[in-house]
Amino acid sequence: SQELEQSPQSLIVQEGKNLTINCTSSKTLYGLYWYKQKYGEGLIFLMMLQKGGEEKSHEKITAKLDEKKQQSSLHITASQPSHAGIYLCGADTNAGKSTFGDGTTLTVKP
Amino acid sequence: DAGVIQSPRHEVTEMGQEVTLRCKPISGHNSLFWYRQTMMRGLELLIYFNNNVPIDDSGMPEDRFSAKMPNASFSTLKIQPSEPRDSAVYFCASSSGGGALFHGYTFGSGTRLTVV
Repeated sequence: SQELEQSPQSLIVQEGKNLTINCTSSKTLYGLYWYKQKYGEGLIFLMMLQKGGEEKSHEKITAKLDEKKQQSSLHITASQPSHAGIYLCGADTNAGKSTFGDGTTLTVKP
Repeated sequence: DAGVIQSPRHEVTEMGQEVTLRCKPISGHNSLFWYRQTMMRGLELLIYFNNNVPIDDSGMPEDRFSAKMPNASFSTLKIQPSEPRDSAVYFCASSSGGGALFHGYTFGSGTRLTVV
C-alpha cells in the first residue's frame, strides 16, 4: 500500500519567518493534495498537484511536486498566525482511494 | 452550495449504545468517503462509495461498523454496539471523481464522537 510520510511532525516558527513542510511517498504519486485543518474541524483543500515539476501558489503558500513524483513540499513565506494549523498531504492511489500523511502541526508565534 | 453537511456535530453516548452518523454530500458529487481521525492513528479511510455503491470497505474496523448510501444525497455510518475506543472525529467527504485520479475531496466539518 502507498504510504505518505510528512516531515517535520511539528514546527514552531516566529511570525514573518519562512517554512517548508515535506511529504514523501513510498510510490509514484498520481495526484497529490495539500489540506489544512484546524484542530477539531474539517480539512480545507489548499491545492492539488498532478504533474512532475508542477508548482502552484496561493497567496503566501507554494506547493511543488518533484519531477519523479514521489515528493512534494509546501512552502509558506512570511508566516502569520493565521497559517497555524495542521497541514496534511493526501494522495490518490491507483486503487481509486486516497491516503493521507500524519500531518504537520504548525505553530506561528506572534 | 452548502458543502458537505454532517450531523450531529457532537455525540456523547454510553458504551453499548447504537450511534448513527449522517452525511449529505455535495450535489452532483458521485463519490463519498467516511474517515475517522484520532491522535494515535491520524486520518483513516473507513469506506467509500461510488454512485451509491460501496467500493472498498477494507478500512472498516470490525463488524460493529456499517455504512449505507441509500441515495446520492445521503449516507449513514452506524456503530452498534459502540465502545470507548470508537471515540474519534468522523469525517465525511465527497468528490466528483469516483475511482479515477486527480480529484480533490470536500470534507464536512466532522462529528466528534465520545463513547463513555
